[in-house]
Amino acid sequence: AQSVTQLDSHVSVSEGTPVLLRCNYSSSYSPSLFWYVQHPNKGLQLLLKYTSAATLVKGINGFEAEFKKSETSFHLTKPSAHMSDAAEYFCVVSRNTGNQFYFGTGTSLTVIP
Amino acid sequence: SAVISQKPSRDICQRGTSLTIQCQVDSQVTMMFWYRQQPGQSLTLIATANQGSEATYESGFVIDKFPISRPNLTFSTLTVSNMSPEDSSIYLCSVPTGGGFGDYGYTFGSGTRLTVV
Repeated sequence: AQSVTQLDSHVSVSEGTPVLLRCNYSSSYSPSLFWYVQHPNKGLQLLLKYTSAATLVKGINGFEAEFKKSETSFHLTKPSAHMSDAAEYFCVVSRNTGNQFYFGTGTSLTVIP
Repeated sequence: SAVISQKPSRDICQRGTSLTIQCQVDSQVTMMFWYRQQPGQSLTLIATANQGSEATYESGFVIDKFPISRPNLTFSTLTVSNMSPEDSSIYLCSVPTGGGFGDYGYTFGSGTRLTVV
């Protein structure tokens, strides 16, 4: 079975400081992992994805995530937070070639000016 | 990636009534998915809708409450039947990005915000 655990429901950072959103996964198979962002009253947008290629994945808007199999983690990072990064972030796992997509409970990111 | 048009974008409905949500994709896709996002919650998969077959429902969701149609490879509807305030949620449709099996992620519609009063 596949599942993801987002370790923090809320994260607050000051503008210009680093962002770390934590995600641990559980998968019986080689997983595909994704991070999505949902801005208030907006649709879901794919930030980045890991599909068994390079373990360090770069996404849009300066975000990146590192797949660590030994730690079963896929944490999302950004060196310097911007006000526009304030949103809800979802870590998602799916089976490779599978059609099941499992969402974490989400992390709400607040950026303080 | 596919572009999804979902409507209505929002609605306020009386309890006991039904609402049908439409999802139109600009390309042919085999699989379409319907999700529910309750207030302050994450997304939960309701069902998978494949063209030419009955939809497959996840645990906790039944066809009588959430009937789904999939008449062709670009269109699907989800009906929320006999609504109660507990059905107040955002409902989203989704397709595999690139039309595959989800290896490249999924594209989501902008959602239907349903309020039941």
